[in-house]
Amino acid sequence: DVKVTQSSRYLVKRTGEKVFLECVQDMDHENMFWYRQDPGLGLRLIYFSYDVKMKEKGDIPEGYSVSREKKERFSLILESASTNQTSMYLCASSRTGHRVDGYTFGSGTRLTVV
Amino acid sequence: RKEVEQDPGPFNVPEGATVAFNCTYSNSASQSFFWYRQDCRKEPKLLMSVYSSGNEDGRFTAQLNRASQYISLLIRDSKLSDSATYLCVVMRLNRDDKIIFGKGTRLHILP
Repeated sequence: DVKVTQSSRYLVKRTGEKVFLECVQDMDHENMFWYRQDPGLGLRLIYFSYDVKMKEKGDIPEGYSVSREKKERFSLILESASTNQTSMYLCASSRTGHRVDGYTFGSGTRLTVV
Repeated sequence: RKEVEQDPGPFNVPEGATVAFNCTYSNSASQSFFWYRQDCRKEPKLLMSVYSSGNEDGRFTAQLNRASQYISLLIRDSKLSDSATYLCVVMRLNRDDKIIFGKGTRLHILP
């Protein structure tokens, strides 16, 4: 089974802190994605990557950056955490382009910024 | 109009009943459609793809109506374990490849 592992299940950070959310997949997938999920807003794409060192902005990239130095790892960075970034963050990976039926999601990181 | 819309529910349905919900999409260029299931505090998981001819997987039937721009999910003989949020996913494969998740429909199966 493909596994997508997110480093933390729950995280509490202070406003202004730099926050790293890590995602690792073990099936040699080319594509990796970061989403956030909020009640009433659904899943929204923050950033995605089709290859090592490659990144593309999603629908809501403001306040975030990403890093993909190795194929298996895709990191989401909150440069200066703010309370409106309190959310559930979901990482996903896939092999074949952007087709969502090939997505495997990680179990999510619930981030609270206080 | 939102690009993908779902009734948020909750749908409270007795065990054994049949339940159906729809998802409407606004962009006629949408090409691929899926249903995902998300349990409380868990990640979404693919339930089924939705083909033009419709498809069935056990108690679950998914259909696409391109003329009216909606997809549907029918669950027969509902089980307690079907309680979850069902996300509609619409995909457009053009230059601006776009995947849009609906906000989900919550389903509670009552004993």
